[in-house]
Amino acid sequence: QSALTQPRSVSGSPGQSVTISCTGTSRDVGAYNFVSWYQHRAGGAPKLLIYAVTERPSGVPDRFSGSKSGNTASLTISGLQAEDEADYYCCSFLGSFATYVFGDGTEVTVL
Amino acid sequence: EVQLVQSGAEAKKPGESLKISCKGSGYKFTSYWIGWVRQMPGKGLEWMGIIHLFDSQTKYSSSSQGQVIISADKSTATAYLQWNSLKASDTAMYYCAATRDGDFAWPDWGQGTLVTVSS
Repeated sequence: QSALTQPRSVSGSPGQSVTISCTGTSRDVGAYNFVSWYQHRAGGAPKLLIYAVTERPSGVPDRFSGSKSGNTASLTISGLQAEDEADYYCCSFLGSFATYVFGDGTEVTVL
Repeated sequence: EVQLVQSGAEAKKPGESLKISCKGSGYKFTSYWIGWVRQMPGKGLEWMGIIHLFDSQTKYSSSSQGQVIISADKSTATAYLQWNSLKASDTAMYYCAATRDGDFAWPDWGQGTLVTVSS
């Protein structure tokens, strides 16, 4: 199972919006509405931002939103803040007889 | 509140064996899956496999199958990741994560265990 395809990096100024794409196939992202997104800061553990494509866990700011169209999922960060600098990973369920797959990871830089 | 506590950093030589752990607390873990995730130096996150704490049903990623053994002890809500013969390429940070039956995202994570394999 190959990693899902994400841009290596995206950047934006404070207050701007950035969108990170996550492209898979009809066997992963396109097959299930079980795409999740994680924020991973250096030195810490990954943090769940989005689950089931669009849902936010309690405590995650509504600046983070998710969507999906076909085989591509997206994470949008609105009102970019300095604290949003981190690596972001998408993740897709692969079915009952398999595990999960992450995306390549995207580094977000706040200019 | 669910907490996952992983065992401490390890420094090993090639060919040695190793078993690291991930202990859950704060909830009834019998209905939980524990997953293991690897992050090699300078690289991204990779799923290695997942195990159900109640019945030890295990699923491995294709790259981890045959390379590691994932096991669990439901009596202590602890999952394990084991190598019989370490390689330098096993040097990485290893995270465990937890999710409940019927959920398909991973809200709870351990702090990570750094494994360094060097002669």
